[in-house]
Amino acid sequence: GAVVSQHPSRVICKSGTSVKIECRSLDFQATTMFWYRQFPKQSLMLMATSNEGSKATYEQGVEKDKFLINHASLTLSTLTVTSAHPEDSSFYICSARGPLLATNEKLFFGSGTQLSVL
Amino acid sequence: RKEVEQDPGPFNVPEGATVAFNCTYSNSASQSFFWYRQDCRKEPKLLMSVYSSGNEDGRFTAQLNRASQYISLLIRDSKLSDSATYLCVVNVDTGRRALTFGSGTRLQVQP
Repeated sequence: GAVVSQHPSRVICKSGTSVKIECRSLDFQATTMFWYRQFPKQSLMLMATSNEGSKATYEQGVEKDKFLINHASLTLSTLTVTSAHPEDSSFYICSARGPLLATNEKLFFGSGTQLSVL
Repeated sequence: RKEVEQDPGPFNVPEGATVAFNCTYSNSASQSFFWYRQDCRKEPKLLMSVYSSGNEDGRFTAQLNRASQYISLLIRDSKLSDSATYLCVVNVDTGRRALTFGSGTRLQVQP
């Protein structure tokens, strides 16, 4: 099956720094990837849809200048949390649809990144 | 109103018990429905899709009632390894193909 690799799995940083999270589709091409955020005991909330070669589509209430998304290739999307603050501490997870023939476009998730901002 | 609503639980049940989870969704145009399982601080994993005719996979049975906009999951003969959070998931925007997640129902199976 398709594999989505997300890195790093955990990051602790100081307030004001920027953190980059990578999401790679290892054995398939993903023209669209989704970025979610999950606070403790809450549901996964869609932040943005990342489109290869074009600008990301952000959900209402998500600051595009704070959460920078780059999807420069068919196998890599990155989310950069700029000037992180403690309230940005959360579990961030990416997902991509697998190829139609091999997976019937099933959704595959990265393993997630736990961000803690001190 | 949330797009996908679930009872957060927790449901504490003994091994071998049968437990049922319910979920309602608000968008009548929703096309696809799923149950995912999520362990603490891990990625969600697809448990099963939910079809209008109802479907079963081993000890798990899922049902969909489009008229009531209601989805259920039944787990029979609970195992300790079933302890997790169960997420009701709906595809409410087929054009974008993103998924909308419920907040999850936590299950704790006890020996």
